[in-house]
Amino acid sequence: DIQMTQSPSSLSASVGDRVTITCRASQNIRDYVNWYQQKPGKAPNLLIFGASTLHTGVASRFSGGGSGTEFTLNISNLQPDDFATYYCQQSHSMLPSTFGQGTRLEIK
Amino acid sequence: QLRLQESGPGLVKPSETLSLTCTVSGGSFNSSFYYWGWIRQPPGKGLEYIGIIYYGGTTYYNPSVRSRFTISIDTSKNQVSLKVTSVTGRDAATYYCASRSLTTRRDAFDIWGQGTVVTVSS
Repeated sequence: DIQMTQSPSSLSASVGDRVTITCRASQNIRDYVNWYQQKPGKAPNLLIFGASTLHTGVASRFSGGGSGTEFTLNISNLQPDDFATYYCQQSHSMLPSTFGQGTRLEIK
Repeated sequence: QLRLQESGPGLVKPSETLSLTCTVSGGSFNSSFYYWGWIRQPPGKGLEYIGIIYYGGTTYYNPSVRSRFTISIDTSKNQVSLKVTSVTGRDAATYYCASRSLTTRRDAFDIWGQGTVVTVSS
């Protein structure tokens, strides 16, 4: 299975800050990475697919990048609604697909 | 608007079989989706991919759960189901039904149900 390692596991930031979350794959997965946002007690929501393409309706302060084995999720001008847990997912192989362990973004 | 709704017993005893259902609404069951999947999340932990099923019934499972988990589809009821045999405490989790709709250009779960909580206790 392809392993996805996210860092950091938690992060504190203030409204207006810019943050970066990193996801590393255990093998080359080209750009087959998705990012999700999950708030407490809610299902995850798709933010980005194909490493850098924003899903419909996602704010432009979210951006994704990377290819191969290293990927980033960037959030600029943090808003109160952005404080949540973020997961990466590799879709290079759906047999099985795998998620990162998550990054909890908290208000400083 | 495409919608997924999970349902299940809430509480299951150890060693018993857990059956969950995902009801699909708001669109054409056979022409709005690529596939449906099940993902679970133990309390306070991350997401675990269980497997996916296509409209024609083809399934793919996470090898770590394959032996006890069965995903099936009932096209007459617009439902996808998950069965877990020989349940243990490690199966306690929120179980999500999710899908890749035809509007998504890549493999990704763009539609999720709200999740159903499963507690394992005698």
